Amino acid sequence: SAVISQKPSRDICQRGTSLTIQCQVDSQVTMMFWYRQQPGQSLTLIATANQGSEATYESGFVIDKFPISRPNLTFSTLTVSNMSPEDSSIYLCSVGRGTVPSTGNEQFFGPGTRLTVL
Amino acid sequence: GQQLNQSPQSMFIQEGEDVSMNCTSSSIFNTWLWYKQDPGEGPVLLIALYKAGELTSNGRLTAQFGITRKDSFLNISASIPSDVGIYFCAGRRSGGSNYKLTFGKGTLLTVNP
Repeated sequence: SAVISQKPSRDICQRGTSLTIQCQVDSQVTMMFWYRQQPGQSLTLIATANQGSEATYESGFVIDKFPISRPNLTFSTLTVSNMSPEDSSIYLCSVGRGTVPSTGNEQFFGPGTRLTVL
Repeated sequence: GQQLNQSPQSMFIQEGEDVSMNCTSSSIFNTWLWYKQDPGEGPVLLIALYKAGELTSNGRLTAQFGITRKDSFLNISASIPSDVGIYFCAGRRSGGSNYKLTFGKGTLLTVNP
């Protein structure tokens, strides 16, 4: 499995501000994903971070609100823009190897970033 | 979007008891994954299943990929206090954007010592 770190681990932010979350992996990976986990809820995929091109967003998530960068195969950032209290969640980075699901192509998660918006 | 029905939503058991939880879907999946999430942590992968009918163990944990490819279960034998946490199933569909995972709503497990 890959070792995944996220920064910050938690933050408390004011409404209207933006926060950029970093995800660093200890090895090159093909697939990187960003998930949101609202309090007491399951995981919802925000977008797939594509290296060298624009991220692919899921229904209900847009680039203006959640801009994503992926400059190389080991690093990605997610920005939560113009935050409101409804954005209070855990944001999780996930990685997977390979472009086609196969044995061994599991997804692994980082420790998460706990965001509280006041 | 695609939904996974995970049950039970929560369980309260005594240490030493066995636990069973399951996920069902109306669609076919080609991969089933089971994760555990401790408070304040990200989900940790427990077991991955890739073939219909596959039965895989990881210590006291056993998971099976249903024959119909629409369900999976996870069993925990002889539970211990550190088994406490939220267990999520996740499925990957066949075809299309087949790298994406769909998650169940989770099963909260409490183990009384």
